[in-house]
Amino acid sequence: GENVEQHPSTLSVQEGDSAVIKCTYSDSASNYFPWYKQELGKGPQLIIDIRSNVGEKKDQRIAVTLNKTAKHFSLHITETQPEDSAVYFCAASKDTDKLIFGTGTRLQVFP
Amino acid sequence: GAVVSQHPSWVICKSGTSVKIECRSLDFQATTMFWYRQFPKQSLMLMATSNEGSKATYEQGVEKDKFLINHASLTLSTLTVTSAHPEDSSFYICSAGAPGTGPAVGYTFGSGTRLTVV
Repeated sequence: GENVEQHPSTLSVQEGDSAVIKCTYSDSASNYFPWYKQELGKGPQLIIDIRSNVGEKKDQRIAVTLNKTAKHFSLHITETQPEDSAVYFCAASKDTDKLIFGTGTRLQVFP
Repeated sequence: GAVVSQHPSWVICKSGTSVKIECRSLDFQATTMFWYRQFPKQSLMLMATSNEGSKATYEQGVEKDKFLINHASLTLSTLTVTSAHPEDSSFYICSAGAPGTGPAVGYTFGSGTRLTVV
């Protein structure tokens, strides 16, 4: 079955700097890769996603890149702000099959 | 956008009692709902997938008789933790979707339920 690895587990950056979180997946048939932000005591919130027919997608300060050959995808947050502090999860799935989550990255943005 | 409502947000119960958690899709019909469990500082673990009108599919290692799932309508799924014990204390999260309608709808999460068994 699918296995998703995520790095780093914790990431601390200064406000205004960029943050990058990386994930790798094992099942080459996976074609949907969402990223979720989870704040303490809340459910995950979708922040951006990408499908396998696209190499990059951007939404304001957030971007995701996908390398199908290497089976890895990354989340890029530019101009980080303290409110970006949260736990971020990557995930992978095939079509609308169940999501397989990464282990999470705790991002701390210091003012 | 798609909204999934989950209740209660937190519950404390005595050991041996049962607790029911509700997950509702407010503005769309959810043919499929997923139930996850999350321990502190860990990732989400899928417990089961429920399809409206049929039995839930449980992941390996999840006790069917312990975690009862009912998905009787297109807008409501319930998870009942039966004979709860302290080790069942966790954060439970549902996700609702209608396959084929797109990922933004397919994977909308509820706000979670913090269960504490004393």
